[in-house]
Amino acid sequence: AQSVTQPDIHITVSEGASLELRCNYSYGATPYLFWYVQSPGQGLQLLLKYFSGDTLVQGIKGFEAEFKRSQSSFNLRKPSVHWSDAAEYFCAVGADGGFKTIFGAGTRLFVKA
Amino acid sequence: DTGVSQDPRHKITKRGQNVTFRCDPISEHNRLYWYRQTLGQGPEFLTYFQNEAQLEKSRLLSDRFSAERPKGSFSTLEIQRTEQGDSAMYLCASSPGLADNEQFFGPGTRLTVL
Repeated sequence: AQSVTQPDIHITVSEGASLELRCNYSYGATPYLFWYVQSPGQGLQLLLKYFSGDTLVQGIKGFEAEFKRSQSSFNLRKPSVHWSDAAEYFCAVGADGGFKTIFGAGTRLFVKA
Repeated sequence: DTGVSQDPRHKITKRGQNVTFRCDPISEHNRLYWYRQTLGQGPEFLTYFQNEAQLEKSRLLSDRFSAERPKGSFSTLEIQRTEQGDSAMYLCASSPGLADNEQFFGPGTRLTVL
């Protein structure tokens, strides 16, 4: 069965520092992978997605993620965090051609001045 | 196009009452999803529509829950005889039905059952 693990419940980084949020998935075939961000009172917004091709994908707001099949990982990175990046981040996996998307439990990012 | 909208944004009800939520997807999207999100968790899949057909229901969706999408456009989610455990954020998403199934989410309806 598909599953997504986000090992870090919350992370605190200083503004301007680099960020990496971890995501591990379980799926038998090549998955479709997503990172979403959710700010308080807001719906989920897609940051980036991977389904084929280059394993390093660029997203909005300066985020990128790298798909590593050997490690079943899809970690999210940003070289310099801004205070406005404080939010909850969700990694998700979708089945090939399927409709169901499975979300991780999320990582809450705190940004300190 | 203004994206996915949900109404109401907040609902407070007493245990045992019925509630109904509405979702208006992006107009050209033929897939519509309902999720439930509780505090500290990611969204959990509830049900899915392809146009007006409800194609899948999660085991999370008890008999007290029903969803419709009568004309393949907006959808409603009804919870009958609400329980305190139903308190959660109910999210709606739509997608154009492409292979990668990228979904576009609404702001959610927060339900509080007293």
